[in-house]
Amino acid sequence: DTGVSQNPRHKITKRGQNVTFRCDPISEHNRLYWYRQTLGQGPEFLTYFQNEAQLEKSRLLSDRFSAERPKGSFSTLEIQRTEQGDSAMYLCASSLREVYGYTFGSGTRLTVV
Amino acid sequence: KNEVEQSPQNLTAQEGEFITINCSYSVGISALHWLQQHPGGGIVSLFMLSSGKKKHGRLIATINIQEKHSSLHITASHPRDSAVYICAVAWDSNYQLIWGAGTKLIIKP
Repeated sequence: DTGVSQNPRHKITKRGQNVTFRCDPISEHNRLYWYRQTLGQGPEFLTYFQNEAQLEKSRLLSDRFSAERPKGSFSTLEIQRTEQGDSAMYLCASSLREVYGYTFGSGTRLTVV
Repeated sequence: KNEVEQSPQNLTAQEGEFITINCSYSVGISALHWLQQHPGGGIVSLFMLSSGKKKHGRLIATINIQEKHSSLHITASHPRDSAVYICAVAWDSNYQLIWGAGTKLIIKP
C-alpha cells in the first residue's frame, strides 16, 4: 500500500450528468476525508468518515453531493446533475485517528462543460 | 473560531537562498501540518508537528505552542521547490483541518 489512491485523475463531463469519484485510503487508516479545491483557493472541507460512519456531512455543498464508505475501506463521492461551478479538484485524505497524520491523494480534477 | 494566518502570501527568491514561511493560529490545537502543492497537482504532506522541530532533507519545521506559531524553512532553495506551501491545523474535537491561505513560493534559477 503506497498511499491514498484516487480515480479517475481527470474527468470531463457535460453539465447535468452525474459523476462518481473513488478514493482508496491507506488500509489501516480509519478516517477518510473529502475536500474540494477551486482554482486559487484553499481546500474546502466537504465530509469525513470514521470507518463506515459518516460523521460530518453538513458541509457538503448541496443535496447534489453525496458520499459513501460502505465497508469502511474505499469511499465514493457522487455529484448529481453537475453544474459548471462544480469544476474543481476533489481531494481525498486519510488518517489514523490516534496519529492525526494525514495522507492525501493526488486528487480528481473535474471539468464540467 | 480558529484562524490560521500565513505569511508571506507570495515569495520570490533566488536559487540557494534560505526561505522562511510563517504560520500563526488563534486557539489551541492538537497538531499542525505543513503541506506542499505544486501547480495543478495534489497535496503532499511535508510535516506534522505537535511540538519542537522536525527536519527532512532541506526542509525544517518548527512550532512554538505557547506563541501559537510555526515556521517552515527551506535551506539551499532550488527551482523545484517552487510550489504553494500550506499550513493547516487540527483540532482535538473533530480532527478536521483548518487551512491557511497558502504561500506561493517561486525560486528563480
